Amino acid sequence: DAGITQSPRHKVTETGTPVTLRCHQTENHRYMYWYRQDPGHGLRLIHYSYGVKDTDKGEVSDGYSVSRSKTEDFLLTLESATSSQTSVYFCAISESGWAGEDTFGSGTRLTVV
Amino acid sequence: GQQVMQIPQYQHVQEGEDFTTYCNSSTTLSNIQWYKQRLGGHPVFLIQLVKSGEVKKQKRLTFQFGEAKKNSSLHITATQTTDVGTYFCAGNAGNNRKLIWGLGTSLAVNP
Repeated sequence: DAGITQSPRHKVTETGTPVTLRCHQTENHRYMYWYRQDPGHGLRLIHYSYGVKDTDKGEVSDGYSVSRSKTEDFLLTLESATSSQTSVYFCAISESGWAGEDTFGSGTRLTVV
Repeated sequence: GQQVMQIPQYQHVQEGEDFTTYCNSSTTLSNIQWYKQRLGGHPVFLIQLVKSGEVKKQKRLTFQFGEAKKNSSLHITATQTTDVGTYFCAGNAGNNRKLIWGLGTSLAVNP
């Protein structure tokens, strides 16, 4: 969908292990976002990036880190996965960051057991 | 903190009936966007409203942005089964690049 892919699509991991999710875009958009979606909570922003090596925290950033070494890639790392991090994770991209549509990836369903 | 309340949480209609979902923000928004998410899918952008009092239409969907830029609505005329999904509103406050999201309204349509 519109040049954004997330990998993996599904992952099951054990509590305490590190996990990295990847978001890759081919649109050359400046802004990239990581959200998690849980029933009853809607979409909650974890971290976002406004350029290479420029990132900022969202509302639920504890336990997560991000990196953006190239325009096209935005990585989300769970340092030590916990069961509360079981969720669907969406990456989104935006050309301007506030005046246009955000395009979402297909999501990664992460289960921490 | 800044919040966007969206009501109702769920709506069940008969095919052909109208449907409306409302968003109310605790703060003035620079813009408001609407997204639709099908079950198991990802949010898909529908439209953005920027101007106070703005009204936009997409076929059977009518979107409004309030005069004070703190509320918005999405109205669907004569719902169809293809309208099933969750509708989210989201907006930017000031120059903040982070969207403030409503919790969504889930629409079910009985054929």
